[in-house]
Amino acid sequence: AQSVTQLGSHVSVSEGALVLLRCNYSSSVPPYLFWYVQYPNQGLQLLLKYTTGATLVKGINGFEAEFKKSETSFHLTNPSAHMSDAAEYFCAVGIPYGNNRLAFGKGNQVVVIP
Amino acid sequence: DGGITQSPKYLFRKEGQNVTLSCEQNLNHDAMYWYRQDPGQGLRLIYYSQIVNDFQKGDIAEGYSVSREKKESFPLTVTSAQKNPTAFYLCASSIVGELFFGEGSRLTVL
Repeated sequence: AQSVTQLGSHVSVSEGALVLLRCNYSSSVPPYLFWYVQYPNQGLQLLLKYTTGATLVKGINGFEAEFKKSETSFHLTNPSAHMSDAAEYFCAVGIPYGNNRLAFGKGNQVVVIP
Repeated sequence: DGGITQSPKYLFRKEGQNVTLSCEQNLNHDAMYWYRQDPGQGLRLIYYSQIVNDFQKGDIAEGYSVSREKKESFPLTVTSAQKNPTAFYLCASSIVGELFFGEGSRLTVL
């Protein structure tokens, strides 16, 4: 079974500073990897995903993530935090041709300090 | 617009009552899911369905029931057997592994 580890439930970052959210996964087969964002009292929206091909994936709002197989990681970055980036972020792992079940991490609550 | 519609957005229930949360999608996706979200615990899978008239238990199915009579609809019933039903419930559908989520339903048991 797949699993995801996200450390640090709350992350504070200054406006304009680098945002770095760490995600490590466990999977017995080459995985699909996702980052989702959730604003208060809303559903989850896809930020970016890795399925195959280029290991550096670019998403919406300046976010990007790099799949590193040797480190079993899929860390999310944004070079410059905006106030609008304050939200909760979830990393998720799935497998190709499976039953489409995704395993989610516990999430990172990002606070942006003006 | 295509998407997933959950209703109601907020729901209050007395202890001992069953309640049904609605989830409708017009994305023509075969697979649908129900997740429960609690603060600091991420998303936990309750039930999922890959095709009409078929569904499987997820990781925390006890106290919940579902049906999948139509491709578009996947309602979730929170029964009185669920010990701690107060939570945020999210419905999703999927294609090629990617999940598309509704806006969620917040259930509070009084």
